[in-house]
Order: sequence, then structure tokens, then C-alpha cells
Amino acid sequence: GENVEQHPSTLSVQEGDSAVIKCTYSDSASNYFPWYKQELGKRPQLIIDIRSNVGEKKDQRIAVTLNKTAKHFSLHITETQPEDSAVYFCAASLIYNQGGKLIFGQGTELSVKP
Amino acid sequence: GAVVSQHPSRVICKSGTSVKIECRSLDFQATTMFWYRQFPKQSLMLMATSNEGSKATYEQGVEKDKFLINHASLTLSTLTVTSAHPEDSSFYICSAILGVGSNQPQHFGDGTRLSIL
Repeated sequence: GENVEQHPSTLSVQEGDSAVIKCTYSDSASNYFPWYKQELGKRPQLIIDIRSNVGEKKDQRIAVTLNKTAKHFSLHITETQPEDSAVYFCAASLIYNQGGKLIFGQGTELSVKP
Repeated sequence: GAVVSQHPSRVICKSGTSVKIECRSLDFQATTMFWYRQFPKQSLMLMATSNEGSKATYEQGVEKDKFLINHASLTLSTLTVTSAHPEDSSFYICSAILGVGSNQPQHFGDGTRLSIL
């Protein structure tokens, strides 16, 4: 089955700096890669996603890149703000053959220092 | 956007009690719902996939007789933790998508924090 590895497990940056979180996946057939932000005790919230027919997607300060050949994808947050502090999870999914179930990475605890 | 409601948000009960958690899609019909468990400072671990009108598909290592899942309608799935013990204490989260093969992302409920004394 699919396995998703996420690094780093913790990341501390100064406000205004960029943050990068990386994930690798094992199943080359996976075709959907969402990123979720989870604050303590709350639901995961989708912040951006990318499908396998696209190499890069951007939404304001957040961008995701996908390298299908290498089977890795990354989250980039620019101009970080203290409210970006949270745990971020990547995930991989095989939409059509497995009903869309998500396999999550281990999570990255991002701390943005003012 | 799509809203998923989960109830209750918090349960504290004695060991041996059975606990039912409800997951509802409020503004869309969800043919597929997922149940996750999340221990403190850990990732979300998929427990099972729930399809309306059929038996749930459990992930390896998840006891189907302990975690009973029912998906009786297009807007409601329930997870019952039977004879709960302290090791079952965790954060349980459901999610829903519009249907198999859909390009829509998963929408998560607020989660249920289960504490077994």
C-alpha cells in the first residue's frame, strides 16, 4: 500500500521567512496530494492540493510543487506569519481505484516566531 | 463550502462502555465517509472507509468487531466503539467526499475526543 514520509517533524522560522515541508510517497499510481493545516484540538483544514497532471500550484503565500518522477511533493509558505503556526500534514490518494482514501504523512509542527 | 458535523465533540466514560460517534454531511450527499484516529502528537491513521449501503472496509490491524461502522444514509455514518478501554482513548475524526472517483477533496468533521477512565 501507499506510504508517505514527511520531513521535517518540527520547523521553526522567523516571521517573514519562508518555510518548506517535504513529502515523499511510495505508490506511483497516487494522483492526488492535499496539504492540511491542523491547529491543536481542531479539525484538519485543507490549505492547498495538487493533482498529478500539474507540477506546481500557488495560492497567495502558499505553493505546492510535485515531482512525479521522484515521487515527492513540497509545501512552500512565504512571508510566514505567527498565525501560520500549526501542524501541517501532507497526504497522498489514489482517487479512482481506492475510493479516495488518504494516507497521511507524519506531520510537521511549524512555529513562526514574531 | 461543504460542511461535516461530528457529534459528540467530547466523551468521558468508564471502561467497558460503548460509545457512538455520529458524522453528518450537512449540505451534500456523501456516498463515502472515512474514519480516522489520531493519538496526541501523531498523524491521522485511517481506520476504515464507509460506503453508504454497504459494509465498511477496514484498514489492516483495525478490529471490525470493536469499531462498528454504519453508513445507513447518504448523510450519516456512525462509529461505535464497543466495550471501550483506556487504550481506545484518542481523537476520532470523520471525513466525507461526494463520491467514489470524485475529484472533490475530503472535508473533515471537528473530531471527537474520547477519554476512557
